[in-house]
Amino acid sequence: GEDVEQSLFLSVREGDSSVINCTYTDSSSTYLYWYKQEPGAGLQLLTYIFSNMDMKQDQRLTVLLNKKDKHLSLRIADTQTGDSAIYFCAETGDSNYQLIWGAGTKLIIKP
Amino acid sequence: DVKVTQSSRYLVKRTGEKVFLECVQDMDHENMFWYRQDPGLGLRLIYFSYDVKMKEKGDIPEGYSVSREKKERFSLILESASTNQTSMYLCASSRDTGYEQYFGPGTRLTVT
Repeated sequence: GEDVEQSLFLSVREGDSSVINCTYTDSSSTYLYWYKQEPGAGLQLLTYIFSNMDMKQDQRLTVLLNKKDKHLSLRIADTQTGDSAIYFCAETGDSNYQLIWGAGTKLIIKP
Repeated sequence: DVKVTQSSRYLVKRTGEKVFLECVQDMDHENMFWYRQDPGLGLRLIYFSYDVKMKEKGDIPEGYSVSREKKERFSLILESASTNQTSMYLCASSRDTGYEQYFGPGTRLTVT
């Protein structure tokens, strides 16, 4: 079945770049999403990429999509303490309604 | 801005109680979703609704039911709460199929 995998934790030093990785199984996905969940809050959409794109950049965020390897990554440049959160990867899969979610990667910022 | 609100941020209930979690969205979205979030398991879909009075089971519907009498409101019901239903419950809505989902702040439910 459809599956999205992420590592559960990533630890980086403040000011360094963070790279959060995600692999997925469904090659028919139309959109792939990155959501951010700050402590005690719901999820908010951070960015998304269409499946026919390789890269998308938005200020400090860069999304890279490797369709051949079914690999999605989120790079956060100059990581700040406010970036501490859980980051979820999601894809549209072949369902008309559902998103297929990864388990989330907790980003830990070391001073 | 899309707004999704949930009736409670924190809720404590006793085993066997009937529990209602309410969710309201203000953007006329067709689709609404209920998830539960547990550490290390990510988001698991309980139920979703694609229209008023229409619902579909998600991955873990056992022990839950839903109601969507009006487009803007989607309720999650725990008929007889159990301790293994202690979790964070997240409601979401989306404009159309395959579009991004907008989330409420979540309800942290504890069943004792």
